Amino acid sequence: GQQVMQIPQYQHVQEGEDFTTYCNSSTTLSNIQWYKQRPGGHPVFLIQLVKSGEVKKQKRLTFQFGEAKKNSSLHITATQTTDVGTYFCAGRVTSGTYKYIFGTGTRLKVLA
Amino acid sequence: GAGVSQSPRYKVTKRGQDVALRCDPISGHVSLYWYRQALGQGPEFLTYFNYEAQQDKSGLPNDRFSAERPEGSISTLTIQRTEQRDSAMYRCASSQQENTEAFFGQGTRLTVV
Repeated sequence: GQQVMQIPQYQHVQEGEDFTTYCNSSTTLSNIQWYKQRPGGHPVFLIQLVKSGEVKKQKRLTFQFGEAKKNSSLHITATQTTDVGTYFCAGRVTSGTYKYIFGTGTRLKVLA
Repeated sequence: GAGVSQSPRYKVTKRGQDVALRCDPISGHVSLYWYRQALGQGPEFLTYFNYEAQQDKSGLPNDRFSAERPEGSISTLTIQRTEQRDSAMYRCASSQQENTEAFFGQGTRLTVV
């Protein structure tokens, strides 16, 4: 079936270090969304990428969509303790439906 | 409303009972999604609606699960004859249109004993 995998599963970083999570789909995606979920909270939308090779930035966060539209990444520069949480990608895997398949998530811990 | 509201927040039910989970989306949002999230996992798609029409129910695990949104606003996810494996966090999300950002509710934690 359609799968969206993320690596790494967990990442511990020292505050100020950079962090990257990678999202890989077994099939071509129409578009991809990224969400952040704090411990005990609900997923909160961060961004949507639509075009092949697209790069978007939000302050210290940089999002990329691969040329083949099968992978994506989220890079955080100079992590802060407020970045703690689990980051999920969610891919729309088939045109004709707006069903999103969520990735397995990367749980980030930031050590002060 | 100010955000997506789900009720109840917590539900404990005995195996074999039916449960109904309610989602009140953000006012005016066309699309409404249901997900199930196990601890430490990503949300698993169940079904979604545009207005009152169920567009995709391919994620519903079996015929014990059903959902409706009769007036294009509030939605109910019903699980009949609950089983222990149905225990999870059930999340609802709504969006203005199909391909825009989704806003999630706080979820309903279902425990089947």
